[in-house]
Amino acid sequence: DQQVKQNSPSLSVQEGRISILNCDYTNSMFDYFLWYKKYPAEGPTFLISISSIKDKNEDGRFTVFLNKSAKHLSLHIVPSQPGDSAVYFCAASEAGNQFYFGTGTSLTVIP
Amino acid sequence: KAGVTQTPRYLIKTRGQQVTLSCSPISGHRSVSWYQQTPGQGLQFLFEYFSETQRNKGNFPGRFSGRQFSNSRSEMNVSTLELGDSALYLCASSDGTSAHNEQFFGPGTRLTVL
Repeated sequence: DQQVKQNSPSLSVQEGRISILNCDYTNSMFDYFLWYKKYPAEGPTFLISISSIKDKNEDGRFTVFLNKSAKHLSLHIVPSQPGDSAVYFCAASEAGNQFYFGTGTSLTVIP
Repeated sequence: KAGVTQTPRYLIKTRGQQVTLSCSPISGHRSVSWYQQTPGQGLQFLFEYFSETQRNKGNFPGRFSGRQFSNSRSEMNVSTLELGDSALYLCASSDGTSAHNEQFFGPGTRLTVL
């Protein structure tokens, strides 16, 4: 059973516009969420995280929003750049236990 | 600091064989987690080792096993390989001492089972 879901396998956005990547989860006990970015032939690299005590965390062009009642989080990238083209994974964990990853969303930023 | 390294990067085996993959974590990290990535399935958690002890385990059959050495290096073994074991195997290291530790991933080992 997939406890973390990314229902959009791919997303295309024009350079300079906003990219919004979505993630849904089923376990209400998850208390820590992360986003990773993955380029081909490389391992995922950490992008941004959020604890369940917050509903927003911002780091430069990247902002993660958490809606606990909807069990939904999203990653906003503004403005999008061609170098942002990659596969993005969201992940969640409960009390420091294993991380559950989504299936990923492939983002293409069109110059 | 050097990043997480995995060897080998690519591997081709045949059904029924066994394979051992190696992961060297970032210096000072005591936690190593292993993941299997297949198309459409995302990253599936295999197990986590912390200070030479398996701390968490995912839902994989017993053919998948691992261990961690005193220097925190970890190995993962898959016995009696099946075609469905073809995947990218990723390891990730972290400090492992708090509930919320960022994981740093290696480049992965691409295993192909023929």
